Amino acid sequence: EDQVTQSPEALRLQEGESSSLNCSYTVSGLRGLFWYRQDPGKGPEFLFTLYSAGEEKEKERLKATLTKKESFLHITAPKPEDSATYLCAVCTGTASKLTFGTGTRLQVTL
Amino acid sequence: GAGVSQSPSNKVTEKGKDVELRCDPISGHTALYWYRQSLGQGLEFLIYFQGNSAPDKSGLPSDRFSAERTGGSVSTLTIQRTQQEDSAVYLCASSPAPRGSPLHFGNGTRLTVT
Repeated sequence: EDQVTQSPEALRLQEGESSSLNCSYTVSGLRGLFWYRQDPGKGPEFLFTLYSAGEEKEKERLKATLTKKESFLHITAPKPEDSATYLCAVCTGTASKLTFGTGTRLQVTL
Repeated sequence: GAGVSQSPSNKVTEKGKDVELRCDPISGHTALYWYRQSLGQGLEFLIYFQGNSAPDKSGLPSDRFSAERTGGSVSTLTIQRTQQEDSAVYLCASSPAPRGSPLHFGNGTRLTVT
């Protein structure tokens, strides 16, 4: 059974304080790893897809990386508007669905 | 363009009543998914449609849950004889193709069973 574990559960940063969120996975036949952002009362918003180990994607202050066992979402010089829950999900060889982790709740303060 | 639309945004119902939740996917998206998100829990897969057929219903928690999709577009999730444990946010997502494509989510229906 596919498993996705995210850490930490919650993270509080000061504005400008860079950090990383972790997503470790145990799957057979990874077809893609996805990062989403979810704001309170909203549906998840797609950020990145990573398909193979060594791949990196960047968007503004966010950078996602992938190894054979885990993915990191690096947040550089975060701002309060980056506060949200960040979700990681995997799609595997025989499945059409995404399997999600429970998320990291990020709070960025002034 | 228009995103995934779900209605109602909030639904309060009494235990034992039936409810219907609606999802309008992004036009042209052939794949449609229903997920459930409970407080403090991750997203739980319920069912996947490709066109009007549902090749994966493995996440439906009991036979009180059913879903259909008509015309390759709108989908309805029906919960019969609702129970308090059914209280959650029900999220719908669509994708232009199955397997490996990102899902685009609506804002969900918050269901509260009293």
